[in-house]
Amino acid sequence: DTGVSQNPRHKITKRGQNVTFRCDPISEHNRLYWYRQTLGQGPEFLTYFQNEAQLEKSRLLSDRFSAERPKGSFSTLEIQRTEQGDSAMYLCASAREVGFLGPQETQYFGPGTRLLVL
Amino acid sequence: GNSVTQMEGPVTLSEEAFLTINCTYTATGYPSLFWYVQYPGEGLQLLLKATKADDKGSNKGFEATYRKETTSFHLEKGSVQVSDSAVYFCALDGGATNKLIFGTGTLLAVQP
Repeated sequence: DTGVSQNPRHKITKRGQNVTFRCDPISEHNRLYWYRQTLGQGPEFLTYFQNEAQLEKSRLLSDRFSAERPKGSFSTLEIQRTEQGDSAMYLCASAREVGFLGPQETQYFGPGTRLLVL
Repeated sequence: GNSVTQMEGPVTLSEEAFLTINCTYTATGYPSLFWYVQYPGEGLQLLLKATKADDKGSNKGFEATYRKETTSFHLEKGSVQVSDSAVYFCALDGGATNKLIFGTGTLLAVQP
């Protein structure tokens, strides 16, 4: 069990550029979540995948944001035309579902990708 | 909608002092409740959880009891150490997707 990994760990970009982050969940975890954490705040939910299907998106996820999870393994989060307000820590978490409609196990978080938009 | 309110920090304590960090929640249904900890420069780690009313979660000397009547999940530790210095987040899981809803976090600083 190598844990959830995220790449890159840090990203500095200029306003208007596109960025893409990657999350590799714990193997066999079929649930994957993206959260965003700004300074001094708790993480806020962005989107959720069950296997390869994106089942929920937050209103925080504007049209400039897109996430994918091809083949239900790793996931990518892309931000197009970045704005300074996108500067934040982007967290990925994964969990294993225990049975149909059953409770999930603990969400395990990656170290995050810190984005700074200049 | 579902929400979590936790006491603002920073909380500054001397080593071996008693710790309480208050957390209250608003939720429909019966969410699970969590405390996550974020040490400096590290990611979020689950500290403890409780899945139903009156459950007590415990880990590393920390405890929290799921109180449905007061909608609370206060974090306590009898004797804090310098190594406990971190940001503590209270959270609940909401909806069919079990997404986590976090409080704003409480910074704990323990001085030797």
